Parts: sequence; structure tokens; C-alpha cells
Amino acid sequence: QKEVEQNSGPLSVPEGAIASLNCTYSDRGSQSFFWYRQYSGKSPELIMFIYSNGDKEDGRFTAQLNKASQYVSLLIRDSQPSDSATYLCAVNEDGTASKLTFGTGTRLQVTL
Amino acid sequence: DTAVSQTPKYLVTQMGNDKSIKCEQNLGHDTMYWYKQDSKKFLKIMFSYNNKELIINETVPNRFSPKSPDKAHLNLHINSLELGDSAVYFCASSQVSGAQPQHFGDGTRLSIL
Repeated sequence: QKEVEQNSGPLSVPEGAIASLNCTYSDRGSQSFFWYRQYSGKSPELIMFIYSNGDKEDGRFTAQLNKASQYVSLLIRDSQPSDSATYLCAVNEDGTASKLTFGTGTRLQVTL
Repeated sequence: DTAVSQTPKYLVTQMGNDKSIKCEQNLGHDTMYWYKQDSKKFLKIMFSYNNKELIINETVPNRFSPKSPDKAHLNLHINSLELGDSAVYFCASSQVSGAQPQHFGDGTRLSIL
């Protein structure tokens, strides 16, 4: 069974620090990787997506992908209390049109 | 100008009843999805339609029946509701390619009494 693993947390970081969220996946053929943010009681909101090995930056967010290690991460620089949420990693399986497999999410708490 | 909208937002009903949830997207996407998020917050795909054609059908009881009248709409009908059906159901949409991000609606919180 194809799996996406995340540490459930909570991950607690002080305001202004870098938060590092990690995700591993089991299907070596996976091609597309997504990070979603979900506030309590709200819907998942797309933060970043990455397709190629390496880093992709967007504002305070950087996604990192290492297909050889089957590992994708999300870095949040200058963390703010408003970043406190659950972050979901999602992986698209190769050859399966549009099917996303989600991890269980990591809860991030940014403390003052 | 909501991109993916679902109705109703909340649904409270008795066990054994039949209910429907509606979803509409105005993003011009070709593919729509239904996800179930359980009490442990695990988000799992149920169905996916591309241009009114069913393309993903996970292991879901046949009490759940999706219907797509056109590519902008995807409804979910649930027969004989059970306690275990209590969850949040999210609709999402994307362009047809699996590489494209999916955009989620606000969710329908279903509670079975």
C-alpha cells in the first residue's frame, strides 16, 4: 500500500524561527508533491507544489524534494503565529490520473 | 466569486436517512473529487470525475453514489447513513493532469445521530 508519512507533532517553534516540516513517501514512481495548510475547521489550502529535485522558493516558504531518498520537506522562514496550522503533504502517484495520497499532517505551533 | 463551493456546510441527520451534498466549481477545471476527512483528520480520496466520467473509485461502500451532470458539478448521494459516515466531506477540482494542484471547497460537516 502506497503511504505518505509525516510526524504528527505538534512541532513548536518560536516566532521568527525557521519551521521545518518533513514528509516521506513509499512510491518511488511518484512525480508531483504538494504541501497544503489546514487551519482547524477549515479546508486544505495549497501552499506549494514541487515536481523536480531540489529547492523551490515562494516568499517565506521553500519546498525541498529528494526523489532518491523519497523525501519532501517544507521550510517556513520567519515563522508567524498565523502559520500555526496543520500542514498536509500530498503525493501524486505516477500513472494514476490526479490521485493524491495525503499524509496525516504535522501540527505546527508558532509561539510568541 | 467562490472557486469551489459546497452545500450544505453542515448536515445533521438520523441514521438510516438518505442525504446529498452538492459541489460546483467555477475554475474551468476538468476534474472534480470527493474526499472524506475523518475524526483523526486523515484525508482520503473517495471518487474522481473527469469531464463527467468516473476515473477514480476507491473502496467506498456502494451506499455512496457520485453524480456529475457536467464538468462543473459533482454531487454525492449517500443512502442509509451510518454512524461511521460522520466526517467532513470535501469537494476539490483540478485540471486533468495529475501534476496540477487541487483546490478544495469549504467542506460539509456530516453528523449522524
